[in-house]
Amino acid sequence: KAGVTQTPRYLIKTRGQQVTLSCSPISGHRSVSWYQQTPGQGLQFLFEYFSETQRNKGNFPGRFSGRQFSNSRSEMNVSTLELGDSALYLCASCPDSPGTDTQYFGPGTRLTVL
Amino acid sequence: AQRVTQPEKLLSVFKGAPVELKCNYSYSGSPELFWYVQYSRQRLQLLLRHISRESIKGFTADLNKGETSFHLKKPFAQEEDSAMYYCCPGANNLFFGTGTRLTVIP
Repeated sequence: KAGVTQTPRYLIKTRGQQVTLSCSPISGHRSVSWYQQTPGQGLQFLFEYFSETQRNKGNFPGRFSGRQFSNSRSEMNVSTLELGDSALYLCASCPDSPGTDTQYFGPGTRLTVL
Repeated sequence: AQRVTQPEKLLSVFKGAPVELKCNYSYSGSPELFWYVQYSRQRLQLLLRHISRESIKGFTADLNKGETSFHLKKPFAQEEDSAMYYCCPGANNLFFGTGTRLTVIP
């Protein structure tokens, strides 16, 4: 099976702009989670989607949003970018529930905000 | 609220020495417990999970419910073990520790 894919791999934006990142899960996986990875904070959970519904949410401001489509592909959007949003954004998929299933991670999208 | 603590951000050991990466958690209930690893230029991937009780690449992790810890151990470190390690306890397997960067010195 093909692994989790994320597009684009690299992005450079300026403060105030918005950005959309895309994630295609492993075929058959219905759960998609998003994480922000930074050297200082490690992996921070953003949100998890299952069957087009947000099932879990982390502690990020409303500028961060996401959605999932009927084919399980997911997008996350960050509006009004801030310098502190510069990070590696990872998505992960699993068949059903991250609580019981292994998560499979994508390569990440490196976002730089200038 | 769930909390995960990996007290060491950086850990260096010599090749052949034992290594222990600490993970403490606070969780009300019986969590599932995972360790994930990220080697240089590779994706984050599962190393092991508590329920399987397997030893992966020589690593083991014992759940200590009394101390609420799930430390990762290996008796003899190898250079290829140098990586970033994340502990992930909790029923949702969504909240990770801040990670420990392990460097094995040749």
